[in-house]
Amino acid sequence: NAGVTQTPKFQVLKTGQSMTLQCAQDMNHEYMSWYRQDPGMGLRLIHYSVGAGITDQGEVPNGYNVSRSTTEDFPLRLLSAAPSQTSVYFCASSPRTITYNSPLHFGNGTRLTVT
Amino acid sequence: ILNVEQSPQSLHVQEGDSTNFTCSFPSSNFYALHWYRWETAKSPEALFVMTLNGDEKKKGRISATLNTKEGYSYLYIKGSQPEDSATYLCAPQNAGNNRKLIWGLGTSLAVNP
Repeated sequence: NAGVTQTPKFQVLKTGQSMTLQCAQDMNHEYMSWYRQDPGMGLRLIHYSVGAGITDQGEVPNGYNVSRSTTEDFPLRLLSAAPSQTSVYFCASSPRTITYNSPLHFGNGTRLTVT
Repeated sequence: ILNVEQSPQSLHVQEGDSTNFTCSFPSSNFYALHWYRWETAKSPEALFVMTLNGDEKKKGRISATLNTKEGYSYLYIKGSQPEDSATYLCAPQNAGNNRKLIWGLGTSLAVNP
């Protein structure tokens, strides 16, 4: 059982480049989300999805797009990378929507550097 | 939920010591409280999800209590081991705001052998 799989683990981009961070889960979880982790700050929610075809913005959505065409996949797209997007990104899923008190299952993270 | 505070920020203990941390949060509109353990170079791992005032949960040597009326939760580790070294995060959920989790900065625990 792979759980939540994120790729790539590391990425370096130049300002203005675009890329997609991949997230897949094999647990049939309804809820999926993307967080970023920055020094001195708690995990911050970028976007989330409560099911296939449904996405919504979190606290810090600007500069990112998401889609949820299948239950398993929830890619995060950086449209035009900026140095402020240098961060560690985590994908997390939950068996039910986060409106219930289900714990989150995290991927191993993607460390992104934008130069 | 406007503010989640975890204390202490960091803690160094000797193997075998018992320790505890605090998570404080606004008590109004409470829905649930999550605890996670985050080891270096790994991803956060869920420990407990607590919902009821007075709730106590236990997982091996780790236990947690919840006071929703005064807005705090304690995490206890009995007989700390080096493998307990990690950052412990709490994240309350508010009944409003689509019940999103609001994350504290964590307590960093180092257990010396």
